[in-house]
Amino acid sequence: ETGVTQSPTHLIKTRGQQVTLRCSSQSGHNTVSWYQQALGQGPQFIFQYYREEENGRGNFPPRFSGLQFPNYSSELNVNALELDDSALYLCASSLGDRGGTDTQYFGPGTRLTVL
Amino acid sequence: GDSVTQMEGPVTLSEEAFLTINCTYTATGYPSLFWYVQYPGEGLQLLLKATKADDKGSNKGFEATYRKETTSFHLEKGSVQVSDSAVYFCALTPNTGKLIFGQGTTLQVKP
Repeated sequence: ETGVTQSPTHLIKTRGQQVTLRCSSQSGHNTVSWYQQALGQGPQFIFQYYREEENGRGNFPPRFSGLQFPNYSSELNVNALELDDSALYLCASSLGDRGGTDTQYFGPGTRLTVL
Repeated sequence: GDSVTQMEGPVTLSEEAFLTINCTYTATGYPSLFWYVQYPGEGLQLLLKATKADDKGSNKGFEATYRKETTSFHLEKGSVQVSDSAVYFCALTPNTGKLIFGQGTTLQVKP
């Protein structure tokens, strides 16, 4: 069974640029959630996708957007990068219904640095 | 709104000491509760979970009991090892699809 994978591992961007982060969910999982973890903090929920549709969103501006593909892999896109976007971005997959109560399994994360 | 509060760290223990990391929560309804662990430079790993009141989650010698009357889910281990050094996160899901995390507690175990 393949776990959750994310790419790239590290990324450096400059303020105002755009970035795309990628996530492959665990085999058989149909739900993907994205989290932002600032240094020394707990992860904060960005949004969740269930079967290619957005299924809940946290308190993040519209410049944070996402996609889920038919194979249940996912992308997180961030436009107009700001310095405060520097963080570890975590993807988690789960097998569940729209209620999203099932256990979420996390990938290793992408470390984004905005200069 | 729903929230999770953990004891502040860092917690420093000697090998084979008893560990308790306190976690309390605020939530409407009946959330599921989790402990995740994050080793340096890595993502989060599920340590244990409990889905209803009085359930006890356990894994790798760690235990936590879902206490609805005290809204708590304290993490315990009888004898810690150096390899347990990590950041521990308590979390809940209010059955809306998102996980709500505490701020994390750093555990350092010295030989």
